[in-house]
Amino acid sequence: DAKTTQPPSMDCAEGRAANLPCNHSTISGNEYVYWYRQIHSQGPQYIIHGLKNNETNEMASLIITEDRKSSTLILPHATLRDTAVYYCIVRADLHGSSNTGKLIFGQGTTLQVKP
Amino acid sequence: GAVVSQHPSWVICKSGTSVKIECRSLDFQATTMFWYRQFPKQSLMLMATSNEGSKATYEQGVEKDKFLINHASLTLSTLTVTSAHPEDSSFYICSASTPNSGNTIYFGEGSWLTVV
Repeated sequence: DAKTTQPPSMDCAEGRAANLPCNHSTISGNEYVYWYRQIHSQGPQYIIHGLKNNETNEMASLIITEDRKSSTLILPHATLRDTAVYYCIVRADLHGSSNTGKLIFGQGTTLQVKP
Repeated sequence: GAVVSQHPSWVICKSGTSVKIECRSLDFQATTMFWYRQFPKQSLMLMATSNEGSKATYEQGVEKDKFLINHASLTLSTLTVTSAHPEDSSFYICSASTPNSGNTIYFGEGSWLTVV
């Protein structure tokens, strides 16, 4: 019962920006948008998360639309090592509370970075 | 980010035996830990949520007597697959979070279980 929709696969040329879209039209006011990626046979790796403002870190940028119904993860300069399955997940996040929301994974987007 | 470690990375066991997988948070105290399983070419499926010092909460369809979860300390949770069968062969992944890390969830490296 994932609450997000992502394209099943995307290609990107090495060195170019990879823009991964995600729809979350039923997102609630207290739910954050999280992005993880999973490289084959490894545990998922946290990338970034946000509530309503755009966010940037050393790995990626997250652009959330004003109505919060969709977002885009941007890998500014994709490398071959960025080939992975990227998961967009919405999750209630209660700071300072032990009642931590679960991460429910959908099918994600398989990003293939090509030379 | 925070470090979560699983052990063993892979294990082979005989049908009918039990196998234990450990999940440790190495640099933070994890108030909540989650266990997932993943079959080839599929997404992660949440099995259960465990809070330190209390019983785990299992997702619908997951047998609590078969998948025993213990979260006895703030840095260790264990998953025991009891009376394993070949269909239990899977990739098992744990994750952990703490309010002090902004409740961001970090994942272990995963453990491959093969039941023969």
